[in-house]
Amino acid sequence: EIVLTQSPATLSLSPGERATLSCRASQTVSNYLAWYQQKPGQTPRLLIYDVSNRATGIPARFSGSGSGTDFTLTISSLEPEDFAVYYCQQRSNWPLTFGGGTKVEIK
Amino acid sequence: QVQLVESGGGVVQPGRSLRLSCTASGFTFSNYGMHWVRQAPGKGLEWVAIISYDGTSRYYADSVKGRFTISRDSSKNTVYLQMDSLGGEDTALYYCAKDFGSGRSNYFDHWGQGTLVTVS
Repeated sequence: EIVLTQSPATLSLSPGERATLSCRASQTVSNYLAWYQQKPGQTPRLLIYDVSNRATGIPARFSGSGSGTDFTLTISSLEPEDFAVYYCQQRSNWPLTFGGGTKVEIK
Repeated sequence: QVQLVESGGGVVQPGRSLRLSCTASGFTFSNYGMHWVRQAPGKGLEWVAIISYDGTSRYYADSVKGRFTISRDSSKNTVYLQMDSLGGEDTALYYCAKDFGSGRSNYFDHWGQGTLVTVS
């Protein structure tokens, strides 16, 4: 099983700041990595797929990068609605796995 | 628009069974794989199972293999999750999720609201 480790567990930032979230895989996942956003009481939302492709309707302030085992989700300038938990997920190998999540909270 | 509506959750005793259902609308159900993903209270996301668009392929998380069975009925636009030998570790909100499909399979582009399963 591929283990995805996300860091930091919590990121405390102010609106307008840049957020950088990390996801590290225990073995290569090629470019088969996605990011999801989950707000309290809501279902997850697909943000980024295949490392760097934004899903439909996702604002350009969200971007993804990386390859192999190290990946980054960047939110260029945090909006109030961006404070949430973010998960990475790999589809390279069965079973599909998620990272443990990074909570982006208001400082 | 895509809608996924789960049902069948509830409180069940350890060792018993439960069957979840997810009825889909707003897309051509028979063209897409379907997943179950769960989230224990206050915890992260855990993928549970997938069934392919035509029902011929199924994969499971190790934690549920041999206990859970995913199936689908395209005449009813419904995917099921039969859960047997339930234990406390299965307590979670169970989401039905649509596969992204079309060369981007095994990502989840639409999610239902979830159905809560409590094993106690």
